[in-house]
Amino acid sequence: RKEVEQDPGPFNVPEGATVAFNCTYSNSASQSFFWYRQDCRKEPKLLMSVYSSGNEDGRFTAQLNRASQYISLLIRDSKLSDSATYLCVVIPFSGGYNKLIFGAGTRLAVHP
Amino acid sequence: EAQVTQNPRYLITVTGKKLTVTCSQNMNHEYMSWYRQDPGLGLRQIYYSMNVEVTDKGDVPEGYKVSRKEKRNFPLILESPSPNQTSLYFCASSLSEDSPLHFGNGTRLTVT
Repeated sequence: RKEVEQDPGPFNVPEGATVAFNCTYSNSASQSFFWYRQDCRKEPKLLMSVYSSGNEDGRFTAQLNRASQYISLLIRDSKLSDSATYLCVVIPFSGGYNKLIFGAGTRLAVHP
Repeated sequence: EAQVTQNPRYLITVTGKKLTVTCSQNMNHEYMSWYRQDPGLGLRQIYYSMNVEVTDKGDVPEGYKVSRKEKRNFPLILESPSPNQTSLYFCASSLSEDSPLHFGNGTRLTVT
């Protein structure tokens, strides 16, 4: 089993739709979680950190479920510009910078 | 502007010809690292550095070298490139060990 797993997609959704991605992680001691967005052939950019209590940033909501070991990203009212690959990033434990783990990404395609 | 700068953006070379990819950050970040990204595999860490003169191997260090003589620079050296090192490379920096990463804009390397 991979340490961080994501559904590769693609998720094809119309504009205005709500879409959600999950990311599962295998190390229960994982401490920090992030969602990054990566446009085609460009560098990943931080979308949002994921906090234990869940957090929202505009149309984006991130949640953490420690019991089931997954994080989620919900995008409401999808825009064409949301089309990208979304990477889940997990830091397994404090002081484990060398163990930063990336998921392979979930591709989202928003169409008119 | 706070940024991580990589050069070159594109590089085509032949097997065995030594090359260096430069990386520089202007954010006074302690942590820097190199990743390679291959389809279906996500980003994998090559080397990382926690401070000047402190470097360590990541998950896929074979065939690569790094140095950290100054805080801002973290070059990636391929002494004898091989075709299996054809990939998209990203340099990243971070303020602390569990802070979000800031990525450079990538170097697409092709080794023939």
